Amino acid sequence: SSELTQDPAVSVALGQTVRITCQGDSLRSYYASWYQQKPGQAPVLVIYGKNNRPSGIPDRFSGSSSGNTASLTITGAQAEDEADYYCNSRDSSGNPLDWVFGGGTKLTVL
Amino acid sequence: QVQLVQSGAEVKKPGASVKVSCKASGYTFTSYDINWVRQATGQGLEWMGWMNPNSGNTGYAQKFQGRVTMTRNTSISTAYMELSSLRSEDTAVYYCARAAYYDILTGYYNYWGQGTLVTVSS
Repeated sequence: SSELTQDPAVSVALGQTVRITCQGDSLRSYYASWYQQKPGQAPVLVIYGKNNRPSGIPDRFSGSSSGNTASLTITGAQAEDEADYYCNSRDSSGNPLDWVFGGGTKLTVL
Repeated sequence: QVQLVQSGAEVKKPGASVKVSCKASGYTFTSYDINWVRQATGQGLEWMGWMNPNSGNTGYAQKFQGRVTMTRNTSISTAYMELSSLRSEDTAVYYCARAAYYDILTGYYNYWGQGTLVTVSS
């Protein structure tokens, strides 16, 4: 199966812009989706596909993709954005119905 | 509204099996795959496998092949994940998630269960 690689931790000053990246071979074939997870809670979808936000997700969250790298950008980070973020995609190395997660990035808002 | 409601916490001994349920409501159960994802304490999300509730077809991560079985009961819109030969490393929160496909290149989980803590301890 494929792997998706994320930086373990990233920090951003309140109100500034931060980019969280995800790398992997599967991203050459499929778009990533991104999930926010706060302690003790189930993950929440924040971005999927080329750059789609589910209803209720603030427009400060955006996504992009190039080659084998997908990125989640938070423009004007807020204190409530402090959380773990995971990328996820379908797995291009085997059955296309298989999936893979990145290891997660802990975002700290300073 | 769409909901996935999972069964309660479990404590199991090493070598035993556990079966976690995921009851769907608010949509047609057979129209979306159910995936299972687990998370050990302080660790990341780990994909375990998928099940098509309409056909019953399944696919499992290589790591869990031979130990995991995903089934469903369409009459009560419930999916199940059974993990056997439990060991301490299987202690984790287990989530079910509904998979959706925006297009051929884009899949995502737009609904998640609340999670079920499975503790494996002697």
